[in-house]
Amino acid sequence: SAVISQKPSRDICQRGTSLTIQCQVDSQVTMMFWYRQQPGQSLTLIATANQGSEATYESGFVIDKFPISRPNLTFSTLTVSNMSPEDSSIYLCSVRGLAGEPDTQYFGPGTRLTVL
Amino acid sequence: AQTVTQSQPEMSVQEAETVTLSCTYDTSESDYYLFWYKQPPSRQMILVIRQEAYKQQNATENRFSVNFQKAAKSFSLKISDSQLGDAAMYFCAYRSDNFGNEKLTFGTGTRLTIIP
Repeated sequence: SAVISQKPSRDICQRGTSLTIQCQVDSQVTMMFWYRQQPGQSLTLIATANQGSEATYESGFVIDKFPISRPNLTFSTLTVSNMSPEDSSIYLCSVRGLAGEPDTQYFGPGTRLTVL
Repeated sequence: AQTVTQSQPEMSVQEAETVTLSCTYDTSESDYYLFWYKQPPSRQMILVIRQEAYKQQNATENRFSVNFQKAAKSFSLKISDSQLGDAAMYFCAYRSDNFGNEKLTFGTGTRLTIIP
């Protein structure tokens, strides 16, 4: 399996501001993803982070609101821009394509975001 | 589009007993993967078990086993000898094996309570 870390683990932010969440993996992975889990809900895929190119966003999510970077095979960032209280959620980084485990997807510990 | 249904929002089981969590899915594909993830209060998503659709044999991981019925599109999770540490939200997830459509689709989850 992979060790996935996310920073920050939690934050409380004011509306209108932006927060960047970092995801670091201890091994190179093929694919990295960002999910959102709203309170009491299941996980929803925001986008697939592509190394060296623009992320692939799911319906309902746009780059201006959730810019994503992936400079290499072990690191990605998600920015939540111009935040509103509706953005209060847990944001999870997820990876797939570990050597020896190409089909298994693992998740980071999540970042709990509260927007006031 | 694929959908995953978990019809049991909550389940409870006496410690040391056995419990089965239900999951059904809808797909027109023949090659895919199915997963059960556990999310304890720490919010960390933990992979419990996985099943490849091409395998007829049901997957087993220690006290966890699945009943995979491909024709019925059913994928239930059985937890034997339930322990207090099994208390968590359990999510069933589907992933296509088709290139370009490989995102995880989650069910709405089942909250499992273990009664001492």
